Amino acid sequence: GENVEQHPSTLSVQEGDSAVIKCTYSDSASNYFPWYKQELGKRPQLIIDIRSNVGEKKDQRIAVTLNKTAKHFSLHITETQPEDSAVYFCAASMNDYKLSFGAGTTVTVRA
Amino acid sequence: SAVISQKPSRDICQRGTSLTIQCQVDSQVTMMFWYRQQPGQSLTLIATANQGSEATYESGFVIDKFPISRPNLTFSTLTVSNMSPEDSSIYLCSVLGQGAYGYTFGSGTRLTVV
Repeated sequence: GENVEQHPSTLSVQEGDSAVIKCTYSDSASNYFPWYKQELGKRPQLIIDIRSNVGEKKDQRIAVTLNKTAKHFSLHITETQPEDSAVYFCAASMNDYKLSFGAGTTVTVRA
Repeated sequence: SAVISQKPSRDICQRGTSLTIQCQVDSQVTMMFWYRQQPGQSLTLIATANQGSEATYESGFVIDKFPISRPNLTFSTLTVSNMSPEDSSIYLCSVLGQGAYGYTFGSGTRLTVV
C-alpha cells in the first residue's frame, strides 16, 4: 500500500517567517494530495489540496507544490502567525479512495 | 462540504464491554471511512464502510473487533468490541463528498477504557 513520510516532525518558527513541510509518497499511482491542520482537541481540517495534473496551488499564505517525478510534495506557509500553530498532516490517495497519512508535523509559531 | 455529526463525543467504558459510535452526514456521500488516532499520533485507517455490503478492513483490523454498518449513503456505525485499555483512542469518521471538496472528518469520539 501507499507509504507517506513527512518531515520534520516538529518545526518552530518566528512569527512572520515561513514554514515548509515536506512529504514523500511511494505509490506513483497516487493522484490526490491534501494537507490537514489539526488544532489541539479538534478534528483535522482540510487547508489545501492538489491533484497530480497540477504542479503548484496557492491560497493566500498557503501553497502546495508537487513533484511527481520525485514523488514528493510540500506545504509552504508564509508570514506565519500564532494561529498557524497546530499539527499538520499530509496525505495521499489514488482515484479518490482511502487516504494514507504522514506522521504529522507540530508547528509552533513564536511571537 | 458535507457536515458530519458524530456521537458520542467521548465515553469512558469498562474493559470487556462494547461501544457503538455513530456517524451521520447531512448529504449522500460516496465514501465513508473510520480512522483511529492514538494520542499524539497520526490517523490510521481502520476500514472503509461500504453501503449495503461488508466493510473493507485494513491490515491489523478485523470485523470481529470493529464491526461496521452502513445501511445507507448518509449513516454508518463503528463498534469497538470487547474493549481493553489499548483501545483507548480517538475514533473519527470521514467522508468523501461529491464535488471537489475532499475528505471531511467528524469531530471524533474520545474513548477511554478503564
